Amino acid sequence: GAVVSQHPSRVICKSGTSVKIECRSLDFQATTMFWYRQFPKQSLMLMATSNEGSKATYEQGVEKDKFLINHASLTLSTLTVTSAHPEDSSFYICSAPQTGTANTEAFFGQGTRLTVV
Amino acid sequence: LAKTTQPISMDSYEGQEVNITCSHNNIATNDYITWYQQFPSQGPRFIIQGYKTKVTNEVASLFIPADRKSSTLSLPRVSLSDTAVYYCLVGDLNTGFQKLVFGTGTRLLVSP
Repeated sequence: GAVVSQHPSRVICKSGTSVKIECRSLDFQATTMFWYRQFPKQSLMLMATSNEGSKATYEQGVEKDKFLINHASLTLSTLTVTSAHPEDSSFYICSAPQTGTANTEAFFGQGTRLTVV
Repeated sequence: LAKTTQPISMDSYEGQEVNITCSHNNIATNDYITWYQQFPSQGPRFIIQGYKTKVTNEVASLFIPADRKSSTLSLPRVSLSDTAVYYCLVGDLNTGFQKLVFGTGTRLLVSP
């Protein structure tokens, strides 16, 4: 099946610094990608929709100036957590949909564990 | 997207069949049902998708009654490695399965 790769898989940063997470679709083009956040023992929460060549759309309650999204190519979307604080520590996951011959499904990256100290 | 309701958790033993039922009373005519599996510290993984009756693949079966207000994911002969969270999602293929909205999921624990 299609592969979506995230990098890094784990990152620790100091409070106040910024962290960039990359999401790549390795064998298909994705004009749209999605970013999720997941806290321990909780479900995935959709943060924003990343649109290639245009601005991202954010879910209610998600600060667009804090979570900067760039989708500069058909295979790469980046999420930058700016001025990170300990409460931003979470598991961040991206997804990219692909319509196949049998199913329409979303492919997920392996996730990025962010720890802000 | 139609709201889904699943049991929060389930316990089983190796070799048993596990059935996880999901309720989706407000499912629309164009909606499909998809199940995802998530292991700790990993992204969700597609398991199976269906519209009505029964769908089977190498991993699981999906049973959908005629009224489509519920669905059951069946995992045959589970092993320890099937311990994971299972999510049921309902949506239109053209739009609903791109922007996925996850419910609580069912945490399955398989014991020896």
